[in-house]
Amino acid sequence: KAGVTQTPRYLIKTRGQQVTLSCSPISGHRSVSWYQQTPGQGLQFLFEYFSETQRNKGNFPGRFSGRQFSNSRSEMNVSTLELGDSALYLCASSPVFSADTQYFGPGTRLTVL
Amino acid sequence: DAKTTQPNSMESNEEEPVHLPCNHSTISGTDYIHWYRQLPSQGPEYVIHGLTSNVNNRMASLAIAEDRKSSTLILHRATLRDAAVYYCILRPLNSGGSNYKLTFGKGTLLTVNP
Repeated sequence: KAGVTQTPRYLIKTRGQQVTLSCSPISGHRSVSWYQQTPGQGLQFLFEYFSETQRNKGNFPGRFSGRQFSNSRSEMNVSTLELGDSALYLCASSPVFSADTQYFGPGTRLTVL
Repeated sequence: DAKTTQPNSMESNEEEPVHLPCNHSTISGTDYIHWYRQLPSQGPEYVIHGLTSNVNNRMASLAIAEDRKSSTLILHRATLRDAAVYYCILRPLNSGGSNYKLTFGKGTLLTVNP
């Protein structure tokens, strides 16, 4: 099976712009979670989707949003980018909601200038 | 939320066993102990998890203290490919198993010397 894929792998934006990141889960997986990873804060939970519904959201401002499509693919959007949004954004999938194991993608490296 | 404490870094030699410790003194009775690792330029990778009993799989072994306040990830024979950051995390069962409370700390950077 192909693993979790994320596109694009690298992205450079400027402050004030918006960005959309994409995640394709492992075939058959219906749960997708998003995380932000920075050197200072480590890996922080953003949101989790299952069956096109957001099940949980982490402690991030409303500029961060996401959605899941009927084929389980997911996108996250960040509007009005700030310098502090520079990070590695990771997507993880699992077969069902509350599964024991998550499978992470390689991440999208976002740099905000 | 229960937190974990890990050494910032550890060093090992190739072909030797590695014991990576994790303290979780405030663990609750329904918290599972999970270990993930992150190789350079990759996303985290699941290693192993357990609740009370020691666990073994093809990647590693997990030894859990009787009082569950600490655990140790054991790599039986370290290889250069095991060089990574290892994260010990607690996953509450009573949150419906949601990843909402899945919090990764700074982890332990394992260096493997040839």
